[in-house]
Amino acid sequence: GQSLEQPSEVTAVEGAIVQINCTYQTSGFYGLSWYQQHDGGAPTFLSYNALDGLEETGRFSSFLSRSDSYGYLLLQELQMKDSASYFCAEANQAGTALIFGKGTTLSVSS
Amino acid sequence: DTAVSQTPKYLVTQMGNDKSIKCEQNLGHDTMYWYKQDSKKFLKIMFSYNNKELIINETVPNRFSPKSPDKAHLNLHINSLELGDSAVYFCASSQDPRRTNTEAFFGQGTRLTVV
Repeated sequence: GQSLEQPSEVTAVEGAIVQINCTYQTSGFYGLSWYQQHDGGAPTFLSYNALDGLEETGRFSSFLSRSDSYGYLLLQELQMKDSASYFCAEANQAGTALIFGKGTTLSVSS
Repeated sequence: DTAVSQTPKYLVTQMGNDKSIKCEQNLGHDTMYWYKQDSKKFLKIMFSYNNKELIINETVPNRFSPKSPDKAHLNLHINSLELGDSAVYFCASSQDPRRTNTEAFFGQGTRLTVV
């Protein structure tokens, strides 16, 4: 089946920069999304990449390399409130559902 | 107005019972989903409905049945609840997931505890 691979945990300190990687399967690839989920909350959309390159939205950026089947989420100037789980996601081959990676838990300490 | 609303937020019930979770979206989206999130936080797709037609059912037991009275609603009915069904269930909606910049909107989640 379709799967996305990402690290399970990442730790960092306030003010640092963190990169969360995601590799995906290429069959029927439409684009890569990123979602953030705080404990007890619902996933919320962060960004989407359909083409190669970097998309920047404030402190968060997302990158895609279709030739490498790889993307990453870059979080800059980390704040305590960035402690959350981050999921990469892609549409399944039929384009009928969003499939999520297993998530990366980011812990930001002071 | 809440974009995707699901009720109840918490549900505690005994094994063997039948329960339903309701979901409504006011975004005019074509596709609605149910996801199960277990204790390891893995978001597993259960169902996808596009224009009231069931598109996908990922190895979900037939005790789970989605019901969509119209495009804006996708309810989840669970029969004969088991301990392993305890999880957080999320409803979500989006436009065609193949489209550029498709964003999925999630409900607040329903924490189901089977005792």
